[in-house]
Amino acid sequence: GESVGLHLPTLSVQEGDNSIINCAYSNSASDYFIWYKQESGKGPQFIIDIRSNMDKRQGQRVTVLLNKTVKHLSLQIAATQPGDSAVYFCAEMKAHGSSNTGKLIFGQGTTLQVKP
Amino acid sequence: IAGITQAPTSQILAAGRRMTLRCTQDMRHNAMYWYRQDLGLGLRLIHYSNTAGTTGKGEVPDGYSVSRANTDDFPLTLASAVPSQTSVYFCASSDFGSGELFFGEGSRLTVL
Repeated sequence: GESVGLHLPTLSVQEGDNSIINCAYSNSASDYFIWYKQESGKGPQFIIDIRSNMDKRQGQRVTVLLNKTVKHLSLQIAATQPGDSAVYFCAEMKAHGSSNTGKLIFGQGTTLQVKP
Repeated sequence: IAGITQAPTSQILAAGRRMTLRCTQDMRHNAMYWYRQDLGLGLRLIHYSNTAGTTGKGEVPDGYSVSRANTDDFPLTLASAVPSQTSVYFCASSDFGSGELFFGEGSRLTVL
């Protein structure tokens, strides 16, 4: 069945260090993966996405890595800042050719705490 | 540009009452979604709509209904609220097939 999970509920890092947030998924049919950031009291906000035909994608200070062999993806944040403190969610979707197309399923989230 | 507007922001409701959470978007997205967020359980999809006139069930649809009469509006109705429906509800929209969902600020619902 579908499940998207995160390895750690809380990650604490020093300001300026790099952060790595991990996520495991179980649905082999998923071909599209997305990371979201949720600040306290707000709705989730899109960070970066990756299709299953890619292993790596970079954005501004963020990199997403996808390992389809072990069904694992990670979000790397470079030079973590206090403003990065939030809950981070991975999500998966079957992008094409399925009755489930468009259904975005979220993992449980990892809280990132940035220490000054 | 407002994006996604949800109402009410917060509501306390007696069990057994009927409640409709409103959601309006002004981005002309064809897909819309309702999620509930509970501590330790992340975001769970209740219902979704890939285009006006169609709806589908998500992971936790029981006790909820939706309608999509037009592109902009996607109300969520609890026909007879129960305490287990106490949660924060998020509405979102996107282009169909896109993983970039735009979320509202949430509606906090407490059922007593």
